[in-house]
Amino acid sequence: KNEVEQSPQNLTAQEGEFITINCSYSVGISALHWLQQHPGGGIVSLFMLSSGKKKHGRLIATINIQEKHSSLHITASHPRDSAVYICALRVVGATNKLIFGTGTLLAVQP
Amino acid sequence: GAVVSQHPSWVICKSGTSVKIECRSLDFQATTMFWYRQFPKQSLMLMATSNEGSKATYEQGVEKDKFLINHASLTLSTLTVTSAHPEDSSFYICSARDLVSWREGRETQYFGPGTRLLVL
Repeated sequence: KNEVEQSPQNLTAQEGEFITINCSYSVGISALHWLQQHPGGGIVSLFMLSSGKKKHGRLIATINIQEKHSSLHITASHPRDSAVYICALRVVGATNKLIFGTGTLLAVQP
Repeated sequence: GAVVSQHPSWVICKSGTSVKIECRSLDFQATTMFWYRQFPKQSLMLMATSNEGSKATYEQGVEKDKFLINHASLTLSTLTVTSAHPEDSSFYICSARDLVSWREGRETQYFGPGTRLLVL
């Protein structure tokens, strides 16, 4: 079993829809990152969470440490949100290493 | 926000040649820089961690003599792929940990735009 799993793997949405991407993990973590990777490959760090909820613009990230689960929500989705969204874990005791999920490919159609 | 640059953004080279990739933190000091590799449709995989002024720490399975890392200053790390072969063709991404944030107990890591390497 992978240490981190994302769902869905692929997601197509219509512009304006509310989107949820899930990340479940099986190891103890000190933090969880949500990253956005555009088609050209560049990566942008969206959030780093260790508890609770964070919001930035139309993006909301939540984490439940007890359930080992995090979600990334996008409200009022737009075609420019089309990208791969990756969750990455910072494992307890491994301060340098991030373990990356395989990503969720999001396509928002106009 | 903080910016990390990589140069070149893409490179095509012949098998057997060496390729150097630079990673720079443009507006902050990076105590630590990380080098990742990503094959098509796969996750990023950490190759090595480099700390300024000391030897890099390589992940299991990554040949340190093939992937030479130099972190000579708090704003620059380089990855040299020596005697590159077609199987080294990949997308190489660096990230940098912000020194000031880290000292304040906040883990902040910024990613570079990546370098696409194609070895013929």
